[in-house]
Amino acid sequence: EPEVTQTPSHQVTQMGQEVILRCVPISNHLYFYWYRQILGQKVEFLVSFYNNEISEKSEIFDDQFSVERPDGSNFTLKIRSTKLEDSAMYFCASRGLVVGEQYFGPGTRLTVT
Amino acid sequence: DAKTTQPNSMESNEEEPVHLPCNHSTISGTDYIHWYRQLPSQGPEYVIHGLTSNVNNRMASLAIAEDRKSSTLILHRATLRDAAVYYCILRDSGGANNLFFGTGTRLTVIP
Repeated sequence: EPEVTQTPSHQVTQMGQEVILRCVPISNHLYFYWYRQILGQKVEFLVSFYNNEISEKSEIFDDQFSVERPDGSNFTLKIRSTKLEDSAMYFCASRGLVVGEQYFGPGTRLTVT
Repeated sequence: DAKTTQPNSMESNEEEPVHLPCNHSTISGTDYIHWYRQLPSQGPEYVIHGLTSNVNNRMASLAIAEDRKSSTLILHRATLRDAAVYYCILRDSGGANNLFFGTGTRLTVIP
């Protein structure tokens, strides 16, 4: 069964550094998403991406965040200058045209020290 | 986004049916009812979704009240692997269909 993959599984970075989290969505999917989950809290929507542009973004997704689909397979989330509060699990998701069925990756745990 | 209300936690014995309720009294006519679950240390996983009629798939059944103000996710025989947090989410059919998770119901399955 096709699945969403994410790399790395765990990323440790120092405050102020840039990080890029990578995702490979399911190949024929058209919508791509990033969510995050701070330890012990709920899953929060960050951004959705369709047709090579951002569809919607939350208040969390400020100027420090950006997304890109640099080729036909990867979908990346960049945080320009990480803060301690960016420490969280980041989940990538994708879906095709069917309403409702978003497929999530296993997540990247980001630790900012 | 329309709000859903779920119990914080529920318990079930292994191999027994589980009924997970969700109230969504402010649901609009175009809102789909989605259920996702999150197993420990994993990403959310799609379970089922519906609009008006009851739905069945290999994982679960979704029973939707006639007035659509509530729904119930039914796991026919709970297994230990079903221990997870279950989320009931309302989304309009249009747009990117972003998901806004609440705190969900933590299901504990007792062997």
